[in-house]
Amino acid sequence: GAVVSQHPSWVICKSGTSVKIECRSLDFQATTMFWYRQFPKQSLMLMATSNEGSKATYEQGVEKDKFLINHASLTLSTLTVTSAHPEDSSFYICSARRGGRYTGELFFGEGSRLTVL
Amino acid sequence: ILNVEQSPQSLHVQEGDSTNFTCSFPSSNFYALHWYRWETAKSPEALFVMTLNGDEKKKGRISATLNTKEGYSYLYIKGSQPEDSATYLCAFVANTGTASKLTFGTGTRLQVTL
Repeated sequence: GAVVSQHPSWVICKSGTSVKIECRSLDFQATTMFWYRQFPKQSLMLMATSNEGSKATYEQGVEKDKFLINHASLTLSTLTVTSAHPEDSSFYICSARRGGRYTGELFFGEGSRLTVL
Repeated sequence: ILNVEQSPQSLHVQEGDSTNFTCSFPSSNFYALHWYRWETAKSPEALFVMTLNGDEKKKGRISATLNTKEGYSYLYIKGSQPEDSATYLCAFVANTGTASKLTFGTGTRLQVTL
């Protein structure tokens, strides 16, 4: 199957700092990538849809100024958590879609565990 | 908010047992239903994408059925093996025109022991 690489896997940062997470599609071009957040014992919650060459589409309740998404190329999307606070501590995972808009499979990264002190 | 529910939350079976779990989703505006397997410390991987009512998909010992009219899908594992231990996620795709996002259930965590 296709490979999507996400890093860092783990990051610990101080409150007030910014953290960048990268998501790379290694063997196919992905015009659309998705960023999810997972709280303990909950499902993957979609944060935003990242579209290559255009602005990301954020889900309701997700602060676009806090969670900056850039999809500058067909193989790379980045999520920057700006001015991180302890409540931003969570598991973040990206995916790249290959195939059609509704039936295309998602290929996921390994996820990033963010801890804000 | 779309409601996608999976049951049971967790399941513990012995090697060789067959098992199944359920994904419930809205029966209106259905477009597709995805199943993913997520092993610990790995990335979720796609199992099936289903679109038609009555669809049945099979991959090895794993199969899935789809009922779009009543809003449910079953995932079956025949003769469970320890390597089947994982969280199984379903994801619903609504037919909403431009939006094509997947709404995930909370998953069923399967543990298979010897």
